[in-house]
Amino acid sequence: AQKVTQAQTEISVVEKEDVTLDCVYETRDTTYYLFWYKQPPSGELVFLIRRNSFDEQNEISGRYSWNFQKSTSSFNFTITASQVVDSAVYFCALSEGYSGGGADGLTFGKGTHLIIQP
Amino acid sequence: EAQVTQNPRYLITVTGKKLTVTCSQNMNHEYMSWYRQDPGLGLRQIYYSMNVEVTDKGDVPEGYKVSRKEKRNFPLILESPSPNQTSLYFCASSLWGGNTEAFFGQGTRLTVV
Repeated sequence: AQKVTQAQTEISVVEKEDVTLDCVYETRDTTYYLFWYKQPPSGELVFLIRRNSFDEQNEISGRYSWNFQKSTSSFNFTITASQVVDSAVYFCALSEGYSGGGADGLTFGKGTHLIIQP
Repeated sequence: EAQVTQNPRYLITVTGKKLTVTCSQNMNHEYMSWYRQDPGLGLRQIYYSMNVEVTDKGDVPEGYKVSRKEKRNFPLILESPSPNQTSLYFCASSLWGGNTEAFFGQGTRLTVV
């Protein structure tokens, strides 16, 4: 069975610090997809990134970057020069693929509450 | 505007009184699903639908029903709500399969007393 572990329940940093959110996953499939979602205080879920298991290239989007390492089953998320607006709960999620069809939905981690203090 | 719309946003009800939470998407997505979010547990899938008239159980289906008569709508039905179904519910849709980007509704906060 698939599983996602976000060991950090809550992280608090001062604005402009860099912060990394950890995500470790378990799956038996060779084809799978990893996601990060952001849930700001307003409550909606915002998609950040999707990565398939065959693409281990790191990704950078502005102040956000993601490090995918199959060897350690990790998909970590780093925010550089954090800002107060980054304060949110961040979820890592996994979906297993079935011949590209994927009947399974997302298996979420329990989330990391990130607090950016001014 | 592409969106997933849930209604109501907030609902307080009593144990045993049947209720329906509606979900509609305007993106012509094949796949729709329902999740519940509880403190310390993250989000867990309740039911999903790969296409019209095709639905299946997720991880926590007990006490819930769904239907998919039209592509755009995927209502969640609680026939006899109980206090342990007090939660924040999210509807989501994606182009096909659970492994494509999911678009989430705004959430429905349900309290069962």
